[in-house]
Amino acid sequence: QKEVEQDPGPLSVPEGAIVSLNCTYSNSAFQYFMWYRQYSRKGPELLMYTYSSGNKEDGRFTAQVDKSSKYISLFIRDSQPSDSATYLCAMSVIKAAGNKLTFGGGTRVLVKP
Amino acid sequence: GAVVSQHPSWVICKSGTSVKIECRSLDFQATTMFWYRQFPKQSLMLMATSNEGSKATYEQGVEKDKFLINHASLTLSTLTVTSAHPEDSSFYICSARDGWTGSAEAFFGQGTRLTVV
Repeated sequence: QKEVEQDPGPLSVPEGAIVSLNCTYSNSAFQYFMWYRQYSRKGPELLMYTYSSGNKEDGRFTAQVDKSSKYISLFIRDSQPSDSATYLCAMSVIKAAGNKLTFGGGTRVLVKP
Repeated sequence: GAVVSQHPSWVICKSGTSVKIECRSLDFQATTMFWYRQFPKQSLMLMATSNEGSKATYEQGVEKDKFLINHASLTLSTLTVTSAHPEDSSFYICSARDGWTGSAEAFFGQGTRLTVV
């Protein structure tokens, strides 16, 4: 079993819909959680970073962490065709710069006009 | 957010030659950088952790003699693919975290698409 599980999709939604993404993890030591967006042939771009249970909102994006259930989510409101990309969750145990991230496999999202 | 610049963005080389990829942190100092490889429609595969002033730490199964990593300064790490072969063709990405602020976020370069012919 992988440490971080993420549905590969593809997830297809109409423009304007809410995109709901999630990851589950098995290592209860994970404390820091990130969501990245990756367009084809580009490096991942950091969207959200959280370290506590609960919700964090930034514009159209909301990140949710439930440490008791080992479950994190990303919601994208009013989705646009430009949101079509692969979304990766990542997490780490400690903040130290040398501590590597553990990634989910990524979910491919397609927002149809 | 912090900026990580990776160069070149794409490169084509002949089989048997070596290719160097640079990764720079532009507005922060990175004592540690990470090198990933990504195959089409797959997630990132960590190859090695690059430590400034010391040897890199390679993940299991990654040939250290083939993928040479040098981290000579706090803002620059390089990955050299030596004696490249077609099976080394892939998308290589570096990332770094700001060691001074202690922030947990990792920032990525734009990636380098290597094609070996």
